Amino acid sequence: KAGVTQTPRYLIKTRGQQVTLSCSPISGHRSVSWYQQTPGQGLQFLFEYFSETQRNKGNFPGRFSGRQFSNSRSEMNVSTLELGDSALYLCASSSLTGTGAEQFFGPGTRLTVL
Amino acid sequence: GQNIDQPTEMTATEGAIVQINCTYQTSGFNGLFWYQQHAGEAPTFLSYNVLDGLEEKGRFSSFLSRSKGYSYLLLKELQMKDSASYLCAVLRGGGSYQLTFGKGTKLSVIP
Repeated sequence: KAGVTQTPRYLIKTRGQQVTLSCSPISGHRSVSWYQQTPGQGLQFLFEYFSETQRNKGNFPGRFSGRQFSNSRSEMNVSTLELGDSALYLCASSSLTGTGAEQFFGPGTRLTVL
Repeated sequence: GQNIDQPTEMTATEGAIVQINCTYQTSGFNGLFWYQQHAGEAPTFLSYNVLDGLEEKGRFSSFLSRSKGYSYLLLKELQMKDSASYLCAVLRGGGSYQLTFGKGTKLSVIP
């Protein structure tokens, strides 16, 4: 089974621009979560989607948004980029079946805002 | 609110045993995960505890006490490749899947 894939792997943008990141979950997984990872704050939860519905959202401004498609693929968008948005953005998928239901992480997208 | 604490850094010797502690205070609890993350890579799943007690998986074991809001990850027979960050994460219940992570413990294994 293919793992979680994320595109692009690296991205450089300037302040004020917007960016869209993509995530393809493991086949059969319907839950997709997004996280922001920075050296100072660690892994912080952005939002979780299940069957095209956002079920939960972390404490991030409205500039951060996302969506999920019928095939479970997900995108997240960040508008009006700020320097502080530079981070590793990780996507994780889960089957939510059985015990454990661990999340499997993709390799991440490294976003640099100049 | 959610609060998860773990030591920032630890150092241990190859072949030794190390215990990484995690304490948590969360609103809602549906299990605790440990993940390993090597520098520049994505986190990988190590263990999941939802009931009190010890779960053993090869060289790695994880313990949970829900009444104390406490967990630990035990690594035996340390190897150099175990040098990584170890992340404690609590799964909130209530119908949505939300993991809250601690800031991670950077473990350095020395010869």
